Amino acid sequence: KNEVEQSPQNLTAQEGEFITINCSYSVGISALHWLQQHPGGGIVSLFMLSSGKKKHGRLIATINIQEKHSSLHITASHPRDSAVYICAVLGTSGSRLTFGEGTQLTVNP
Amino acid sequence: GAVVSQHPSWVICKSGTSVKIECRSLDFQATTMFWYRQFPKQSLMLMATSNEGSKATYEQGVEKDKFLINHASLTLSTLTVTSAHPEDSSFYICSARDPGLIPFSEQFFGPGTRLTVL
Repeated sequence: KNEVEQSPQNLTAQEGEFITINCSYSVGISALHWLQQHPGGGIVSLFMLSSGKKKHGRLIATINIQEKHSSLHITASHPRDSAVYICAVLGTSGSRLTFGEGTQLTVNP
Repeated sequence: GAVVSQHPSWVICKSGTSVKIECRSLDFQATTMFWYRQFPKQSLMLMATSNEGSKATYEQGVEKDKFLINHASLTLSTLTVTSAHPEDSSFYICSARDPGLIPFSEQFFGPGTRLTVL
């Protein structure tokens, strides 16, 4: 069992739909990242959070430390949101990231 | 926001040659940089942690003599793939931490370098 598990692995949505991607982890963490990787390969850090909720535009990230679970929500999805979304946790030593397998999101017009 | 660049963005080389990839933090000083490798349809795999002015720390299974890492300044780390072979073909990504940010543990990723060894 991976230390960081994401679901679903693949997600197809219609433009405008509300999207949720889930991340569960089994280790103690100091923080959790949500990353976005477009087909060209570059990675953008969307959020880093250690408690509660963060919002940036149409993106919302939440984390429940007790349940070791985080969610990434996209409101009013758009085709340009199509990408791989990766959950990564920062261990309690504060140095290395452990990555989930990623969720391939496709938003159709 | 913090910006990390990589050069080149893609490279094709012949088997047996060496390839150098640069990772630069453009608007901050990074005492720590990380090198990752990613195979198609897979997640990132940490290869090594690069600390300015000291030797890199390699992950288990990563050959330090094959993947030479140098972090000679606070804004530049280099990864040299020596005597490259086709199995070294991959997407290499670096990231850097900005110790000036709170919390400083956030990592910023470069755009990646696609290496193809013929």
